[in-house]
Amino acid sequence: SQQGEEDPQALSIQEGENATMNCSYKTSINNLQWYRQNSGRGLVHLILIRSNEREKHSGRLRVTLDTSKKSSSLLITASRAADTASYFCATDGKLVFGKGTKLTVNP
Amino acid sequence: GAGVSQSPSNKVTEKGKDVELRCDPISGHTALYWYRQSLGQGLEFLIYFQGNSAPDKSGLPSDRFSAERTGGSVSTLTIQRTQQEDSAVYLCASSPGGRSIYEQYFGPGTRLTVT
Repeated sequence: SQQGEEDPQALSIQEGENATMNCSYKTSINNLQWYRQNSGRGLVHLILIRSNEREKHSGRLRVTLDTSKKSSSLLITASRAADTASYFCATDGKLVFGKGTKLTVNP
Repeated sequence: GAGVSQSPSNKVTEKGKDVELRCDPISGHTALYWYRQSLGQGLEFLIYFQGNSAPDKSGLPSDRFSAERTGGSVSTLTIQRTQQEDSAVYLCASSPGGRSIYEQYFGPGTRLTVT
């Protein structure tokens, strides 16, 4: 079974709005990562958060990690049409990905 | 610099034939991963190479699948006697190892269609 599961499966927002997606996992981890996949650039690593971190920022991205709940969230602020993509979370080891959240940002 | 490259980008083959998929990782990256992504699905781990260690083959779905990594660089994924359910995009990724071992850089993938 998949280690990481993203929620929601699909999200549609207007440009400029914030987008929040969540990820749940099953076993203890050393780190959790978020990836983005779109047809133009393939699968791209966005950000990694280690198990001893609770929050991490990178540009317009903010990731939180709650190891007690085995969950993480990815917040994209001031979204742009170019953020339209599928977003996957993955945990360490063999990186078992979930099915992703498909984000559509409407101009 | 050059990223991860994969070849071919597309492969159509008949059921029962063998196929070889190639991955050229980023130079200097010690870890190499193979995944596959079926339509509408997440990524399924297949195999993992790290330096000179024995590969982690735990994700290979059957003994028809095998992979090699020669000289710690290029890797070939071989699927023997292909079946229609093997149709998917096969993605290769490499990572620098060490503290950044989990930061994977993906290639564009090979789309395999088994007819």
